[in-house]
Amino acid sequence: DGGITQSPKYLFRKEGQNVTLSCEQNLNHDAMYWYRQDPGQGLRLIYYSQIVNDFQKGDIAEGYSVSREKKESFPLTVTSAQKNPTAFYLCASRTLGGGAEAFFGQGTRLTVV
Amino acid sequence: LAKTTQPISMDSYEGQEVNITCSHNNIATNDYITWYQQFPSQGPRFIIQGYKTKVTNEVASLFIPADRKSSTLSLPRVSLSDTAVYYCLVGDIPGDGYNKLIFGAGTRLAVHP
Repeated sequence: DGGITQSPKYLFRKEGQNVTLSCEQNLNHDAMYWYRQDPGQGLRLIYYSQIVNDFQKGDIAEGYSVSREKKESFPLTVTSAQKNPTAFYLCASRTLGGGAEAFFGQGTRLTVV
Repeated sequence: LAKTTQPISMDSYEGQEVNITCSHNNIATNDYITWYQQFPSQGPRFIIQGYKTKVTNEVASLFIPADRKSSTLSLPRVSLSDTAVYYCLVGDIPGDGYNKLIFGAGTRLAVHP
């Protein structure tokens, strides 16, 4: 089945540790996105990428890093510099020039303990 | 990027038609209007997209007046399962607006028995 997969679904991290969230898609989409969602709030864009080996900062990139070494993969690292990392993280992908229909993963809920 | 304004929340009852209006006063000539639906602890799902007049699919209708400064998502005969957050996005395809895919706070729709 084609789709976009995030793992793990739940993640616990100790303060001061870096953690990497996985996002993989087999839809052959060009663009990929990472969002953060806090309880009762909308989605805020962290990073996005339109092509391999290139990515752009979104509105809240501080404390996060990404890579795009393969078209199908866009991992997000939450670094120790992120002051309040506990949140729901969503990854999305879409075809450029194909309208605004993006496909989202099921999300990763990160909790700092 | 065109800024969008939606009601924070709405309430309805099963079987009623629900209309959610989005204001986008500074919409540009090349901008399209897109709506997403999000259930709790899931990623948003694309519902419908349009440029002008009316667009209809199996899920919803989108009404866009001639001046395009607002749009209305219409959900016919809602059920309890339509309880969700609905997001309105405005952006240029394939310009920078949609490349970023910026989500606002959305409208929280509660459908009651």
